[in-house]
Amino acid sequence: EVVMTQSPATLSVSPGERATLSCRASQSVSSNLAWYQQKPGQAPRLLIYGASTRATGIPARFSGSGSGTEFSLTISSLQSEDFAVYYCQQYDNWPPLTFGGGTTVEIK
Amino acid sequence: QVQLVESGGGVVQPEKSMRLSCAASRFTFSNSALHWVRQAPGKGLEWVAAISYDGTEKHYAESVKGRFTISRDNSKDTMSLQMDSLRADDTAVYYCARDVYGGWFDTWGQGTLVTVSS
Repeated sequence: EVVMTQSPATLSVSPGERATLSCRASQSVSSNLAWYQQKPGQAPRLLIYGASTRATGIPARFSGSGSGTEFSLTISSLQSEDFAVYYCQQYDNWPPLTFGGGTTVEIK
Repeated sequence: QVQLVESGGGVVQPEKSMRLSCAASRFTFSNSALHWVRQAPGKGLEWVAAISYDGTEKHYAESVKGRFTISRDNSKDTMSLQMDSLRADDTAVYYCARDVYGGWFDTWGQGTLVTVSS
């Protein structure tokens, strides 16, 4: 099973600042990585797939990078609606599909 | 737009059974693989099961293998999850999700809460 580890667990950021979230895989997943955003009481929403391709309707301030075992999600200038929990997920080697434990982006 | 709607959740006693459904609309259901993903209260996301577009391939997480059964009816645009021998640690919000291509999800339902408690 591919174990996904996200860091930090919580990131405190001021609106307008840049946020960088990390995701590490226990073995190479090539570029088969997705990022999701989840707000309280809501279902997850797809942000990024293929490690760096933005999903339909996702603002350009969200960008993904990385390959192999190291990945990052960057939010260039945080807006109020971006404070949420973010999950990475690998789909290179499954079953099982595996998610990271999540990073909470909170208002500083 | 593309929509998935889950139903069937509620409170169930340990060792009992429950069946969840996922109804799809506004896309060609028979072309899409589908998954169940769950989230225990206050916890992260856990993949549960997957079914191919035609129902011939099914995969399960080890934690549910032998107890849960995924199925679909392409004539009714619905997917189901039969959950038997339920345990307290199966308590979670269960989401159905559409697999666009090889294991990532562009569409999620709103989720249905399953509580296993005596």
